[in-house]
Amino acid sequence: AQKITQTQPGMFVQEKEAVTLDCTYDTSDPSYGLFWYKQPSSGEMIFLIYQGSYDQQNATEGRYSLNFQKARKSANLVISASQLGDSAMYFCAMREGFAGNQFYFGTGTSLTVIP
Amino acid sequence: DVKVTQSSRYLVKRTGEKVFLECVQDMDHENMFWYRQDPGLGLRLIYFSYDVKMKEKGDIPEGYSVSREKKERFSLILESASTNQTSMYLCASSERGQAFDLNRAINSNQPQHFGDGTRLSIL
Repeated sequence: AQKITQTQPGMFVQEKEAVTLDCTYDTSDPSYGLFWYKQPSSGEMIFLIYQGSYDQQNATEGRYSLNFQKARKSANLVISASQLGDSAMYFCAMREGFAGNQFYFGTGTSLTVIP
Repeated sequence: DVKVTQSSRYLVKRTGEKVFLECVQDMDHENMFWYRQDPGLGLRLIYFSYDVKMKEKGDIPEGYSVSREKKERFSLILESASTNQTSMYLCASSERGQAFDLNRAINSNQPQHFGDGTRLSIL
C-alpha cells in the first residue's frame, strides 16, 4: 500500500486565489511527521512546512498552511493568495516513528498559477 | 543554511560506463539519501545511509551501489549504465530521527534537505 497518496496530478488556480493540494497518508505508527516540498522547474526541492502527529494546531508558514485531519489521515496544503511564482510541483512526504530515518514521498501535484 | 551539493547538474554518459554521482553536505547530518525522480512516479528511494560505512537498500537498488567513506559525502554508483537509468537523481540529507523520550512524545520534525539534482542521460 502507498504510504503517501496525492490524487491530483495537475491543478490550476487563478492568481491571488487560494488553492488546496490534497495528501493522504497511511501509517499505523502513532508518531510521524508530515512535510510538504515545492519543486520549481529548475529542479531543487524546497521544504515548505511541517506537521507533527502530536501537534495540536495546524501548521502555518506565511502563505502556506496545513489542513491536518488526523482521523481522516489527510494533510492538505493550502496556499493562499497564489502568485505566479507558486507554479511548481508539490510533494507531500512522511517520516514515520519516533526515530524514523526514512521518508516516503507522494507522486506530486503540478500546480499552475494563471495570471 | 544547510547546503547539499551535487557534483553535476547535467551529465551524459554511454551505455555500459561506470558512472559516479557525488553528493556533499555541510551540516554534519547523519542521514543521507539518493532518490531518482521520474515523471508520474515521484521520488523513489535508491539507497540511504545513516552513518559512515552504513547503507540500506531503498525501493529500487538494482543496478546501483553507494559509498559513504566520510560523513559528509555520499556517492551513488551506476555499475554499468543502461538507458533505463536516464533520470533525475536527487541527493538529500537529514538529521537522525530523535530518540523516544518517555516523558513526552517527540516527533521526527527534521526535514530532508536536497541538492539541486543531476539530470543524467544514458545514450
